[in-house]
Amino acid sequence: GENVEQHPSTLSVQEGDSAVIKCTYSDSASNYFPWYKQELGKGPQLIIDIRSNVGEKKDQRIAVTLNKTAKHFSLHITETQPEDSAVYFCAANRDDKIIFGKGTRLHILP
Amino acid sequence: ETGVTQSPTHLIKTRGQQVTLRCSSQSGHNTVSWYQQALGQGPQFIFQYYREEENGRGNFPPRFSGLQFPNYSSELNVNALELDDSALYLCASSSMGVTDTQYFGPGTRLTVL
Repeated sequence: GENVEQHPSTLSVQEGDSAVIKCTYSDSASNYFPWYKQELGKGPQLIIDIRSNVGEKKDQRIAVTLNKTAKHFSLHITETQPEDSAVYFCAANRDDKIIFGKGTRLHILP
Repeated sequence: ETGVTQSPTHLIKTRGQQVTLRCSSQSGHNTVSWYQQALGQGPQFIFQYYREEENGRGNFPPRFSGLQFPNYSSELNVNALELDDSALYLCASSSMGVTDTQYFGPGTRLTVL
């Protein structure tokens, strides 16, 4: 079945610097790749998603890239701010399921 | 527009008991998915309901069951609770399936003693 690997598990960056989180997936039939942000005590919130007919998508400081051949996709956050501190999850679809990675805890250092 | 709500927020049960968790989907959404999130892990897909029918299931035993009502709200039932069932249970609603934007509720924290 689909397996989604996410790295790193923890990431600390200086405020204002960029953060990159990487994921790989195993099912070549996957065609939908959402990214979620989860703050303490809250449910995951979709921040950006990409479909397999697109290689890159950007929304203000957040961008996602997809390499279908290599089966990996990445989240890029530029000009990080304190409110970006949270746990980030990548995910991929398989049939009627969404499979999540194990998450990356992002710390923004002052 | 009303967001996804879940009740209760916290619940403590003992091993062997049964529990029912509830979810109200976002207005206009007819699909509800349930997830189990263990501490420090990503959410794991339990099952999805579309227009009152189960439409996709993850690797969870039959003691995990659900319902979706005509107003698209949903219940998750877990029988014969085990210690490993302790987790945050999330529901998410969408307009059509998991490849449509899913909106998550805040979750129900279940502790099994």
